[in-house]
Amino acid sequence: KNQVEQSPQSLIILEGKNCTLQCNYTVSPFSNLRWYKQDTGRGPVSLTIMTFSENTKSNGRYTATLDADTKQSSLHITASQLSDSASYICVVRPTGGYNKLIFGAGTRLAVHP
Amino acid sequence: DAGVIQSPRHEVTEMGQEVTLRCKPISGHNSLFWYRQTMMRGLELLIYFNNNVPIDDSGMPEDRFSAKMPNASFSTLKIQPSEPRDSAVYFCASSSYTLQGLQETQYFGPGTRLLVL
Repeated sequence: KNQVEQSPQSLIILEGKNCTLQCNYTVSPFSNLRWYKQDTGRGPVSLTIMTFSENTKSNGRYTATLDADTKQSSLHITASQLSDSASYICVVRPTGGYNKLIFGAGTRLAVHP
Repeated sequence: DAGVIQSPRHEVTEMGQEVTLRCKPISGHNSLFWYRQTMMRGLELLIYFNNNVPIDDSGMPEDRFSAKMPNASFSTLKIQPSEPRDSAVYFCASSSYTLQGLQETQYFGPGTRLLVL
């Protein structure tokens, strides 16, 4: 069964600190893996996308890594800001078929001053 | 572009009433998705349209739920009759899908927060 699991479920850090969110998946084969950011009261917004052949992708202070052998991805946030407080959702697209995505449950990040 | 537009943003209704959620996708997008998000289950795909045609409705919970896309710029999700367990945030998303477009992005609307009393 295609699954995407994220950890931790929630995380609290102080402003300026770094943090890393984890994503393990069983989807195979897959076309791409995305990290979405969802602010409270808003829809998810795509942060990064990686194909199975890519190892890392950056978007400003966000860096995503992918290990297709171990089926793990991580999202590293550098020098966190209060505006980073949100849910971060790992999403995997299986190969074939249409654009049906497999969503993780998300990690809820709170950045405190 | 205004992005995906959803209405209403909030809806409070009583059990048994009909609820209609509306979505206007991004102009030019040919794929539209309805999702439901709850704390317990996260984001769940309800139905997917491509070129206004329903392709996959396997996520629709039961016959009380129905969705239509009469044209490329409008879709509705209807719940009749509504029940308290339908309380959730309903998102509409759109994308520009091609067989070769493996990296197309789904753009989400702001969601409709539904509370059924």
